[in-house]
Amino acid sequence: AQSVTQPDIHITVSEGASLELRCNYSYGATPYLFWYVQSPGQGLQLLLKYFSGDTLVQGIKGFEAEFKRSQSSFNLRKPSVHWSDAAEYFCAVGINTGNQFYFGTGTSLTVIP
Amino acid sequence: NAGVTQTPKFQVLKTGQSMTLQCAQDMNHEYMSWYRQDPGMGLRLIHYSVGAGITDQGEVPNGYNVSRSTTEDFPLRLLSAAPSQTSVYFCASSAPLAGGRNEQFFGPGTRLTVL
Repeated sequence: AQSVTQPDIHITVSEGASLELRCNYSYGATPYLFWYVQSPGQGLQLLLKYFSGDTLVQGIKGFEAEFKRSQSSFNLRKPSVHWSDAAEYFCAVGINTGNQFYFGTGTSLTVIP
Repeated sequence: NAGVTQTPKFQVLKTGQSMTLQCAQDMNHEYMSWYRQDPGMGLRLIHYSVGAGITDQGEVPNGYNVSRSTTEDFPLRLLSAAPSQTSVYFCASSAPLAGGRNEQFFGPGTRLTVL
């Protein structure tokens, strides 16, 4: 069965510091991977996606993610965090048998001045 | 384009009441889905549809019904609300690409409280 794990429930970083949010997946075939961000009281916005090709993908708001097949990971990174990045971040896997997405439980990011 | 719209934004029900959460999209997307979001559990798929007249169950379908009579609309019905259905509900739509590479577009959510 497919699953998505985000091992960090909550992360606190200082503004200007670097950020890495972890995501591991379990899926038998080639995964299609996504990162979404959710600001308080808002819906989900797509940050970036990986389908195939270059394993380092660039997204909006200065985020990037790297797909590592050997580690079944798709970690999200940002070199310098801004206070406006405080939000909930979700990793998701899209599977090949239809419109089914599996989401991780999310990582809540707090940014301190 | 308005994208994906959901109504209402907030709703309070009493146990046993019924209601319908509305979802509409104007992007001509074939795929639509309903999720519920609960603290510490991420988003869980309730029901989904791959086109008008076609629906299927997701991870947590019990207590919910759906139908898809048009491409644009995908209402979610609670026939007899229970406190366990207190949650935030998100509707999403996507255009199918080969191999499941559909990016989902989300509505703003409906916050439902069942007393």
